[in-house]
Amino acid sequence: AQKVTQAQTEISVVEKEDVTLDCVYETRDTTYYLFWYKQPPSGELVFLIRRNSFDEQNEISGRYSWNFQKSTSSFNFTITASQVVDSAVYFCALSPGGTSYGKLTFGQGTILTVHP
Amino acid sequence: EAGVVQSPRYKIIEKKQPVAFWCNPISGHNTLYWYLQNLGQGPELLIRYENEEAVDDSQLPKDRFSAERLKGVDSTLKIQPAELGDSAVYLCASSLEYYNEQFFGPGTRLTVL
Repeated sequence: AQKVTQAQTEISVVEKEDVTLDCVYETRDTTYYLFWYKQPPSGELVFLIRRNSFDEQNEISGRYSWNFQKSTSSFNFTITASQVVDSAVYFCALSPGGTSYGKLTFGQGTILTVHP
Repeated sequence: EAGVVQSPRYKIIEKKQPVAFWCNPISGHNTLYWYLQNLGQGPELLIRYENEEAVDDSQLPKDRFSAERLKGVDSTLKIQPAELGDSAVYLCASSLEYYNEQFFGPGTRLTVL
């Protein structure tokens, strides 16, 4: 069985602070994929990133960066110099590989509030 | 390009009534997903379609839930009869093929009184 745990239910920061959202996963698969999605108040989940289990390189995209560590089964997400527009619910998700790819298991989400 | 379209956006019904949700995926997307999202939780997959075939419906409560995607394009999810515990947001997503990124619609928020 697959499981994703986002231990931080809510995080509140002031604009320009850096913030890290934690994600820990469990899977018995050797091939799997990890995702982060953003859910603003409008409700639509917005895809942010996908990583496969064989690629532990960290990734940076503008103010966003991701740290994937198989040794600790973690896939953490950092927002640098946060902005009010970053306020949303963020979900980490896990998918098997192969023909079951796309069967996403989501964490419970972290509510991020960025105050001006 | 239009995103995933869902209707209605909001629905309030009394328990034991039937309800249906409609989803139109992004044009050309062959894979369609229905998810259930309870308040304060992440989405949970209910069913996945490859064209008109339901390839994974293991999480769909088949005693009261049904879904169809007759022509391999738009899809309908039905609940009959609805129960209080069905109050949630029902999300639809689509992807070009099952191995591609999923794009989500805005969801239908169902309230069962």
